[in-house]
Amino acid sequence: GDSVTQMEGPVTLSEEAFLTINCTYTATGYPSLFWYVQYPGEGLQLLLKATKADDKGSNKGFEATYRKETTSFHLEKGSVQVSDSAVYFCANTRAVGGSNYKLTFGKGTLLTVNP
Amino acid sequence: DAMVIQNPRYQVTQFGKPVTLSCSQTLNHNVMYWYQQKSSQAPKLLFHYYDKDFNNEADTPDNFQSRRPNTSFCFLDIRSPGLGDTAMYLCATSRVEQGLGADNEQFFGPGTRLTVL
Repeated sequence: GDSVTQMEGPVTLSEEAFLTINCTYTATGYPSLFWYVQYPGEGLQLLLKATKADDKGSNKGFEATYRKETTSFHLEKGSVQVSDSAVYFCANTRAVGGSNYKLTFGKGTLLTVNP
Repeated sequence: DAMVIQNPRYQVTQFGKPVTLSCSQTLNHNVMYWYQQKSSQAPKLLFHYYDKDFNNEADTPDNFQSRRPNTSFCFLDIRSPGLGDTAMYLCATSRVEQGLGADNEQFFGPGTRLTVL
């Protein structure tokens, strides 16, 4: 079945450091890929997405590229800020079957950025 | 702004006392989802409505039920909450058009944090 594996946290960085959170997926067909962010005590917000191979999603300085050959969608940011401290979830849609709109989430990665 | 609203934001109930959580949306999306998220875990899908059709996940306990009286509203009913049901409950919506691919972004509400004592 479909699954998403992301880097286990927690990740602790200093402000302005480079961030990478790894995400790999298994899926049949051609899923869409997402990164969601969850700030403390809140719901999930879409950070970025990519719908086909080689697409790059980007938002608020974050980027991720849909790599079909490595089945990966790693999240990167060149210079993190304290306000980026949150939990990040990688997700994909189930690509086949009648329910291809459901999301499969990774376990989440807690990022803490220190001033 | 179009959005997904959940009420209440915080709910405390007693063991075994029924509780209802509410979700409404102004996005006019045809699919509404309920997730349970326990501390430091990923959201777990409980069920969803595709239009009026209810779709239960295989491992969702019978204790959890849902109602969708119209497009805008969806309710989560927990008939006899146990201590293990303490969690954040997230409502989400999406617009799904079959045959147009899998780009079905879900929009989440802020969640209801439920505590069962």
